[in-house]
Amino acid sequence: DQQVKQNSPSLSVQEGRISILNCDYTNSMFDYFLWYKKYPAEGPTFLISISSIKDKNEDGRFTVFLNKSAKHLSLHIVPSQPGDSAVYFCAASELNDYKLSFGAGTTVTVRA
Amino acid sequence: ETGVTQSPTHLIKTRGQQVTLRCSSQSGHNTVSWYQQALGQGPQFIFQYYREEENGRGNFPPRFSGLQFPNYSSELNVNALELDDSALYLCASSWGGASGRRDTQYFGPGTRLTVL
Repeated sequence: DQQVKQNSPSLSVQEGRISILNCDYTNSMFDYFLWYKKYPAEGPTFLISISSIKDKNEDGRFTVFLNKSAKHLSLHIVPSQPGDSAVYFCAASELNDYKLSFGAGTTVTVRA
Repeated sequence: ETGVTQSPTHLIKTRGQQVTLRCSSQSGHNTVSWYQQALGQGPQFIFQYYREEENGRGNFPPRFSGLQFPNYSSELNVNALELDDSALYLCASSWGGASGRRDTQYFGPGTRLTVL
């Protein structure tokens, strides 16, 4: 049962433009959400997170938006850079839970 | 500060064999989680160790087992390997409190296991 879904397997964006990655979840007990970035032959790298008490969190070029009523979150990358080309995973956990539930990932390609 | 390390990088085994994968947690972290990532999928939670005790388990059979040592490093053992066990095995470390609070998990580079 896939509780976290990333419905777009891939995204291609021009350098300097905005990348928008989407993630939906079904478990209403999730209260903490994270985005990880993964390069080939490396482990996932933590990017940004958001607690369910917020609807937006920003860190430099990365902003995560959370819409609890729609059970939807998105990651905005502005401006996109060639080094952003990677697989992005959305993950979620319940309060004080240890387990992260991941989506299947979205491969982002930033074109020069 | 040393990050999460895993060994070996790659491993090839045959069906029915046993394998042990190792993970060293990041300095200051007392919790280790193991994940299996099959091709084209996101990581799936196997189990977590907190202060040397198993602290939660995902939907994996008992032939997947683990250990955590006093220095918080960890091992994942898989017995009676099956072809479907071929995957990238990721270890993640974090700091956990007695109240149950868990901080962000930081991942190692993974071990690529191939079962023939």
